[in-house]
Amino acid sequence: RKEVEQDPGPFNVPEGATVAFNCTYSNSASQSFFWYRQDCRKEPKLLMSVYSSGNEDGRFTAQLNRASQYISLLIRDSKLSDSATYLCVMIDASKIIFGSGTRLSIRP
Amino acid sequence: DTEVTQTPKHLVMGMTNKKSLKCEQHMGHRAMYWYKQKAKKPPELMFVYSYEKLSINESVPSRFSPECPNSSLLNLHLHALQPEDSALYLCASSRDSDGEAFFGQGTRLTVV
Repeated sequence: RKEVEQDPGPFNVPEGATVAFNCTYSNSASQSFFWYRQDCRKEPKLLMSVYSSGNEDGRFTAQLNRASQYISLLIRDSKLSDSATYLCVMIDASKIIFGSGTRLSIRP
Repeated sequence: DTEVTQTPKHLVMGMTNKKSLKCEQHMGHRAMYWYKQKAKKPPELMFVYSYEKLSINESVPSRFSPECPNSSLLNLHLHALQPEDSALYLCASSRDSDGEAFFGQGTRLTVV
């Protein structure tokens, strides 16, 4: 079983829609979780950290559910500029482990 | 300043060449990483340096040789690569081994 499982998509949604991604992880001892965004032919960029108490930054909300071992990212009122690949990330024993990434396309 | 700088941005090398990729950060981060990324795939961990010492080698072939000359610099020496080694090579750093990581823009390597 992969350490981090992520729905690869692609998700193709209209502008203004709400979209949600999930990742599941296998190691219950993992402590740190993040969402990264990667545009085509660019490096991954930190989007936000993920906490059990939730983390909201404008239109973006991230949540960690330790009991069910998944993390989520919710994007509200999506914009064309949100089109990218979203990668969930887990830190495990000093390793930064990426999910496979979910491709999101926002259409006008 | 959350910048990780990688050079060169692009590199084309023959299978008999020796080249080096360079990575630099001045954020005082004590963990530095090399990743390899193929098209439409997530980054794959190659090496982790913690406090300038190699702490993780993910069974990377010896034709890739990392080096950490000091706390701000990380090199990846390349020798006798294969065409399948062509990829985007990403360097990252983090304050410690549990914190968020910042990535450089990567070196796009083509082996011919």
